[in-house]
Amino acid sequence: GDSVTQMEGPVTLSEEAFLTINCTYTATGYPSLFWYVQYPGEGLQLLLKATKADDKGSNKGFEATYRKETTSFQLEKGSVQVSDSAVYFCALNLNSGNTPLVFGKGTRLSVIA
Amino acid sequence: ETGVTQTPRHLVMGMTNKKSLKCEQHLGHNAMYWYKQSAKKPLELMFVYNFKEQTENNSVPSRFSPECPNSSHLFLHLHTLQPEDSALYLCASSQAGEGNQPQHFGDGTRLSIL
Repeated sequence: GDSVTQMEGPVTLSEEAFLTINCTYTATGYPSLFWYVQYPGEGLQLLLKATKADDKGSNKGFEATYRKETTSFQLEKGSVQVSDSAVYFCALNLNSGNTPLVFGKGTRLSVIA
Repeated sequence: ETGVTQTPRHLVMGMTNKKSLKCEQHLGHNAMYWYKQSAKKPLELMFVYNFKEQTENNSVPSRFSPECPNSSHLFLHLHTLQPEDSALYLCASSQAGEGNQPQHFGDGTRLSIL
């Protein structure tokens, strides 16, 4: 079945460090890919998305490129801030109908000053 | 301002109580979802409604009873819950039928079972 695999956390970085969170997927069709972020005490918020191969999603300094050849959607940010501390979820959605999103297990990021 | 509103934000109840969680979406979506998020466990999809019809029930115990009276409102009725049901319950909505559309989440109800 369809699945999403994320790197295990937690990830702890110093402020202004470079962030990479890996995400790989398995899907029978041609999915759209998403990154969600969950700040403490809140629900999940859409961070960025890409709907086809080689698309790059970007938002708030975060970027991820849809790599069909490696079935990956790696999240990156050049300089993290303390306010980026949150849990990050990678997800996919098949473009073929009404199936709900398939989520990864989430990666907790802690940024220290 | 979130387009998906959940109430209450926090709920403490005994195992013999009956309570309901409410979700309302103001986005004009036609699909709504309930998720359970427990500490140190993956996000669990519980129920899916498309156009007010339940299309998915992921082996959820009968002590959880969903209700979707219209495409803007979703309820989760709770009765005789167990301590392991303590979790964050998240509601989401989306525009079904358009495969690349994301889900929009509420801030959740933090449920504690005594």
